[in-house]
Amino acid sequence: EDQVTQSPEALRLQEGESSSLNCSYTVSGLRGLFWYRQDPGKGPEFLFTLYSAGEEKEKERLKATLTKKESFLHITAPKPEDSATYLCAVQYRSGSARQLTFGSGTQLTVLP
Amino acid sequence: DGGITQSPKYLFRKEGQNVTLSCEQNLNHDAMYWYRQDPGQGLRLIYYSQIVNDFQKGDIAEGYSVSREKKESFPLTVTSAQKNPTAFYLCASSMGGGFRTGELFFGEGSRLTVL
Repeated sequence: EDQVTQSPEALRLQEGESSSLNCSYTVSGLRGLFWYRQDPGKGPEFLFTLYSAGEEKEKERLKATLTKKESFLHITAPKPEDSATYLCAVQYRSGSARQLTFGSGTQLTVLP
Repeated sequence: DGGITQSPKYLFRKEGQNVTLSCEQNLNHDAMYWYRQDPGQGLRLIYYSQIVNDFQKGDIAEGYSVSREKKESFPLTVTSAQKNPTAFYLCASSMGGGFRTGELFFGEGSRLTVL
């Protein structure tokens, strides 16, 4: 069964303390991997798309990387405003082109 | 500004009642989706539509119904047949075709509570 697993479930960091979030997947025929940010009580906001192993994308303090089995979201020198739940989603060839499989998310808290 | 508008933001329902959640987009996107989000779980797809007057069931369509009479609108009805309807419901849209279908624009969500 195709699965997407995110770890850790929750992460607390001090402001400026860099870390990484993990998204591992067991789908065959990856079509794309997507990262989203979700603030409490809001809809997710799209961050990055990664298509192939070795690809990297950056936006401000965030950098997403992709291997054949997992993706990392690196957060460098985080600020309290980076606190949110980060979701990853995988689109695979065997599924409908319109369907994504989402992980359950990592809830990040950055303390001042 | 372009975006997706969901209403109502909060909704309370008695058991046995049907309720309809509204979703309107002005992004000129072809595809629209309804997801359900429960604590500790990933988003699960309820229904999706790629063009007007056509829609497909997602992974958890039982107890739900949709319509797509206009490109801009994709309302979701939660029927009394849905056994556990209390959840956060998210509407999304995307441009048609290719790899970009994973880049979704979401609304602010509707929180449904069954009393």
